[in-house]
Amino acid sequence: ETGVTQTPRHLVMGMTNKKSLKCEQHLGHNAMYWYKQSAKKPLELMFVYNFKEQTENNSVPSRFSPECPNSSHLFLHLHTLQPEDSALYLCASSPESGIGSYNEQFFGPGTRLTVL
Amino acid sequence: AQKVTQAQTEISVVEKEDVTLDCVYETRDTTYYLFWYKQPPSGELVFLIRRNSFDEQNEISGRYSWNFQKSTSSFNFTITASQVVDSAVYFCALSGGTGRRALTFGSGTRLQVQP
Repeated sequence: ETGVTQTPRHLVMGMTNKKSLKCEQHLGHNAMYWYKQSAKKPLELMFVYNFKEQTENNSVPSRFSPECPNSSHLFLHLHTLQPEDSALYLCASSPESGIGSYNEQFFGPGTRLTVL
Repeated sequence: AQKVTQAQTEISVVEKEDVTLDCVYETRDTTYYLFWYKQPPSGELVFLIRRNSFDEQNEISGRYSWNFQKSTSSFNFTITASQVVDSAVYFCALSGGTGRRALTFGSGTRLQVQP
């Protein structure tokens, strides 16, 4: 596998379910990101992890819980979601080397989530 | 606060026409980076270009060219001799400021190239 992979590609869940999205990057990067892309809104940043530490939480509801066990893997745990959470969830990574570096982010194909 | 505006929601052109996608940004930072990404129907965002705030040279890559004008806070993207495969949503993005690396995206411009 190369680049950034995401599983599953599609997910349908009920409001009472618990599920997890997985992201894996094979690029040796140190920073990983979760973005949400809804039909009627611009891409929204959710979380940023840098060297496994969460450095940004963009006021995301607690029903979304990220986990970054190492620099290559990022999870988004979902529970008691709402229908308005239906969206494309995109993971990205970048080769951060310290403060002041603004490298391009490489994106995965996304998970299309539908909440019934 | 940072903001990226892509005023063109959707553009439709006929193959071989040239098309320019507009991007206007707002930031208080003196150091920042601008990006363009392409999102084809498959959904994956594909990186096209990065430009830093100190480099106002225009760039050309094949049929793609970018015009960065700091004076007007614009970073426009031109596709010359468009092709059907160029059909996608194009996003302009901005990062920078006090170590914040995450991207602020514009709302995107959907480009339809008709054969």
